[in-house]
Amino acid sequence: EAGVAQSPRYKIIEKRQSVAFWCNPISGHATLYWYQQILGQGPKLLIQFQNNGVVDDSQLPKDRFSAERLKGVDSTLKIQPAKLEDSAVYLCASSSLGGNTGELFFGEGSRLTVL
Amino acid sequence: LAKTTQPISMDSYEGQEVNITCSHNNIATNDYITWYQQFPSQGPRFIIQGYKTKVTNEVASLFIPADRKSSTLSLPRVSLSDTAVYYCLVGGRDTGRRALTFGSGTRLQVQP
Repeated sequence: EAGVAQSPRYKIIEKRQSVAFWCNPISGHATLYWYQQILGQGPKLLIQFQNNGVVDDSQLPKDRFSAERLKGVDSTLKIQPAKLEDSAVYLCASSSLGGNTGELFFGEGSRLTVL
Repeated sequence: LAKTTQPISMDSYEGQEVNITCSHNNIATNDYITWYQQFPSQGPRFIIQGYKTKVTNEVASLFIPADRKSSTLSLPRVSLSDTAVYYCLVGGRDTGRRALTFGSGTRLQVQP
């Protein structure tokens, strides 16, 4: 079974530029999550989708971050304009509605450096 | 969501048993306790989940006392490859609900 795919793995931009990250969840997983992980901290949930609807985006800085999950499969997270404090790893995860444990399956992440 | 408290870091040697305790005083009746492991440059990985008493799998054991206000992740005979950050999460298993919250985790360093 293929895992959660993310791209790009690394991205370096200057502040005020824009960036987009892409995520392809495990096939059949209805729930998709974007987390931000700053160095030395635990992952922080930015947005949670169930199919193509938003379950929770309370911690998403909506003035600069946006995310979409068209057709309930792939998802894109965009940052525009980027700030220095956005430097972090952006993790995508997915889970199955029918699973017994609610286990989250994470991708390897996209590391963003804002200069 | 129940808040968790766990040690910031722990050190061990190869071959030893490591026990990481997590405190979750306000755990709700329908909450489960889940542990994740994260290696550098990777996303977290599910290790084990339990509700009460003891759960064991091929990787670890999870001990939960009767009051469920704490839990202990036990890693038998650790190796260098067990060096990672371990997160304790508490919440429901229904993924249609709000996602569980990760704390800062426990950074385990295994020495040769």
